[in-house]
Amino acid sequence: QVQLQESGPGLVKPSQTLSLTCTVSGGSISNGGFYWSWIRQLPGKGLEWIGYIYYSGITYYNPSLKSRLTISVDTSKNQFSLKLPSVTAADTAVYFCARVDRYCSSTSCKMGGIKGFAIWGQGTKVTVSS
Amino acid sequence: EIVLTQSPGTLSLSPGERATLSCRASQSVNSSYLAWYQQTPGQAPRLLIFGASSRASGIPDRFSGSGSGTDFILTISRLEPEDFAVYYCQQYGNSLPITFGQGTRLEIK
Repeated sequence: QVQLQESGPGLVKPSQTLSLTCTVSGGSISNGGFYWSWIRQLPGKGLEWIGYIYYSGITYYNPSLKSRLTISVDTSKNQFSLKLPSVTAADTAVYFCARVDRYCSSTSCKMGGIKGFAIWGQGTKVTVSS
Repeated sequence: EIVLTQSPGTLSLSPGERATLSCRASQSVNSSYLAWYQQTPGQAPRLLIFGASSRASGIPDRFSGSGSGTDFILTISRLEPEDFAVYYCQQYGNSLPITFGQGTRLEIK
């Protein structure tokens, strides 16, 4: 079955760039029925959607992070990545990657709208500290 | 941005009892785009319900969702020990961002 695995440094210094990669196994990232997303969970708090990407490279970002966020995809490696520059302690969180299921028929998928975050990675804890 | 408010913050019940969790949106949400998740400590969230009332693959039928407009409900008909967790609702609206509720903690009484 499809599995997602986050990788990247667990410790990032303030003002530096947080870089994470999610590797998808058991299925193709180029399947048009899905988006590929990053979500974070601040310590002891709830969930914040960061953004997601389609295999073609089209991105959808949370407006609160859009100015400093880049999500990219590498279909040859079946991976997608997150880059968040100029981090502060407020970016300390557990970062999850997830597959987003779209509403699709046998011939096409609905533009806009999603079923939900159907498959998640285990999460990776990132601490921003000097 | 659509704000989702979940209530209660904490719900204390015993195994075998029925749990009713509420999610209220700050503006109307298309039912097709309302989902519920379960998260146990140290684990990633798990999709339970999508489209307000459709169970995700592998989810037991004791979990059910209902509601429309601004008010949505997750019901667990008979609580099993593994159901004690934190539950989140999530919406995708006409415009971004996707948002989650703050969560309801379901604890053993």
